[in-house]
Amino acid sequence: DIQMTQSPSSLSASVGDRVTITCRASQSISSYLNWYQQKPGKAPKLLIYAASSLQSGVPSRFSGSGSGTDFTLTISSLQPEDFATYSCQQTYSNPGTFGQGTKLEIQ
Amino acid sequence: DVQLVESGGALVQPGGSLRLSCAASGFTFSGHWMSWVRQAPGQGLEWVANIKEDGGVTHYVDSVKGRFTISRDNAKNSLYLQMSSLRAEDTAVYSCARDLHYDGSGSGYCFDSWGQGTLVTVSS
Repeated sequence: DIQMTQSPSSLSASVGDRVTITCRASQSISSYLNWYQQKPGKAPKLLIYAASSLQSGVPSRFSGSGSGTDFTLTISSLQPEDFATYSCQQTYSNPGTFGQGTKLEIQ
Repeated sequence: DVQLVESGGALVQPGGSLRLSCAASGFTFSGHWMSWVRQAPGQGLEWVANIKEDGGVTHYVDSVKGRFTISRDNAKNSLYLQMSSLRAEDTAVYSCARDLHYDGSGSGYCFDSWGQGTLVTVSS
């Protein structure tokens, strides 16, 4: 199975900050990388698919980049509603494995 | 609006069985692959199984092969997960998710809608 490693595991930031979360695959996954946001007790929400495509309805402050083994999710200016846990997922090969998650907390 | 509502979660003893259901609405259910994803307490997300639009193809994560069966009833807009020989490590919130295939490669998919999940606890 392809292992997905996110860093950092947790992150404290303030409203208005620019934040970057990294996801690294144990082997090349081309651009088959998705990003999800999850808030406590809520269903995950798709933010980015195919490494850099913004899901419909997701604010443009979210962006994704990368290919091969290294990927990033960037939030250009943190808003109060962005404090959540973010997870990456590779779909290059079955099973479609997720990273362990990055918890973004208010500083 | 797309809605996915899971049910059937419960406390079950090790070795027991359980059937989860997911009721879908707001979209053409028969036009989508569907998946089950689980999240153990304090852990990350784990894809469990998926099923093709017509139910003719299924895939499973190795840890549940031979114990779990995914199925669907397109006439009832429902997805199911039959779980047997349950273990403590199967304890998790189980969510159904709609697959969105964005290219024809088989690798190009994501989960664009999710249910809130149902809790399965395996304990004596």
